[in-house]
Amino acid sequence: QQQVKQSPQSLIVQKGGISIINCAYENTAFDYFPWYQQFPGKGPALLIAIRPDVSEKKEGRFTISFNKSAKQFSLHIMDSQPGDSATYFCAAISNFGNEKLTFGTGTRLTIIP
Amino acid sequence: EAQVTQNPRYLITVTGKKLTVTCSQNMNHEYMSWYRQDPGLGLRQIYYSMNVEVTDKGDVPEGYKVSRKEKRNFPLILESPSPNQTSLYFCASSNRDHVNEQFFGPGTRLTVL
Repeated sequence: QQQVKQSPQSLIVQKGGISIINCAYENTAFDYFPWYQQFPGKGPALLIAIRPDVSEKKEGRFTISFNKSAKQFSLHIMDSQPGDSATYFCAAISNFGNEKLTFGTGTRLTIIP
Repeated sequence: EAQVTQNPRYLITVTGKKLTVTCSQNMNHEYMSWYRQDPGLGLRQIYYSMNVEVTDKGDVPEGYKVSRKEKRNFPLILESPSPNQTSLYFCASSNRDHVNEQFFGPGTRLTVL
């Protein structure tokens, strides 16, 4: 059972555009939502994360929007650059006795010139 | 340099031939974990360990074994590999209280013929 659903599977965006990746979760016990970025040939690395007590978190060109009632969260990449081309994974975790991250299926993002 | 290392990075083997993928971290992390990454399925946890001599099954543990005899090492053992274990494997580590922020190794691409 996929507890975190991610879409789209792949995404092509023109340089300078906005990239948007969406995730939805089912488990209401989740209380921390990180995004990981993976470049080809590398392991994933933490990019940005949010707790459900805020609706938005911004770090540079990267923003997470969070909708607790809809159980959805999304990653927005503003002014997308070719260097942002990577696979992005959303994830969720409950910090109350749950010792595992649950990952989405990943989005392969390609930024074209 | 703080890092998670895995060996080998690439491995081609045949069905039934026992193999071990090593993982080592130099960050004194209590938590270590193994994931497999498959197209369309994202990252799925195989096993994890909260500390030395403590290991637990993840979502897809069948066909795998692990051990945690030392804090820094967490090898993944395939006693009798099968073609459906062909995958990209990642080891990760974190502080026990920050499982949401895991540091990943570079990955091991395994092909079982």
